[in-house]
Amino acid sequence: DGGITQSPKYLFRKEGQNVTLSCEQNLNHDAMYWYRQDPGQGLRLIYYSQIVNDFQKGDIAEGYSVSREKKESFPLTVTSAQKNPTAFYLCASSDRGLSNQPQHFGDGTRLSIL
Amino acid sequence: GNSVTQMEGPVTLSEEAFLTINCTYTATGYPSLFWYVQYPGEGLQLLLKATKADDKGSNKGFEATYRKETTSFHLEKGSVQVSDSAVYFCALVMGNRDDKIIFGKGTRLHILP
Repeated sequence: DGGITQSPKYLFRKEGQNVTLSCEQNLNHDAMYWYRQDPGQGLRLIYYSQIVNDFQKGDIAEGYSVSREKKESFPLTVTSAQKNPTAFYLCASSDRGLSNQPQHFGDGTRLSIL
Repeated sequence: GNSVTQMEGPVTLSEEAFLTINCTYTATGYPSLFWYVQYPGEGLQLLLKATKADDKGSNKGFEATYRKETTSFHLEKGSVQVSDSAVYFCALVMGNRDDKIIFGKGTRLHILP
């Protein structure tokens, strides 16, 4: 089955530590996205990538970094500069080859501070 | 800029009640419109979509009609079930392939048995 896999499902970060969230897709989609969701809130865009080796900042990029070395993979690093990282993180992808296409989502990673 | 506004929740209904979740949009062109559903602890799943005016999207008993004249895409279901309890997001994307999807803030739905 094609889809998006996020891992781990739960992640804990110590103060001053960087952590990396994994996102892999086998849908052959060009575009990938990272969102942050806080309790009772909507989705806020962190970073997005429309093609391999290229990515752009979203609305809340500070304290985060990404890479896009392969089409299938778009890992997100939450750095120690992100002072309030506790949230639910969602990865998504879409097919830019077709216009007006919806995004497909993974099941999310819940990050907490120890 | 483009935006999506949906009714604030939570919305609490009894099982078998009629559901409406309002969604209106602002866009400079002719967007495609979507409803997503998020069950507790999970990611978002596409529920239905409509790509042009007067289109009706439907899935799992839910329906929404793309109304250009009122810039709306209200979600409806004739008889809700406890299993429909979730958060529902309205969203739009423009025809330009470089445009990102724009989400509403979500509406939490509670269905009581």
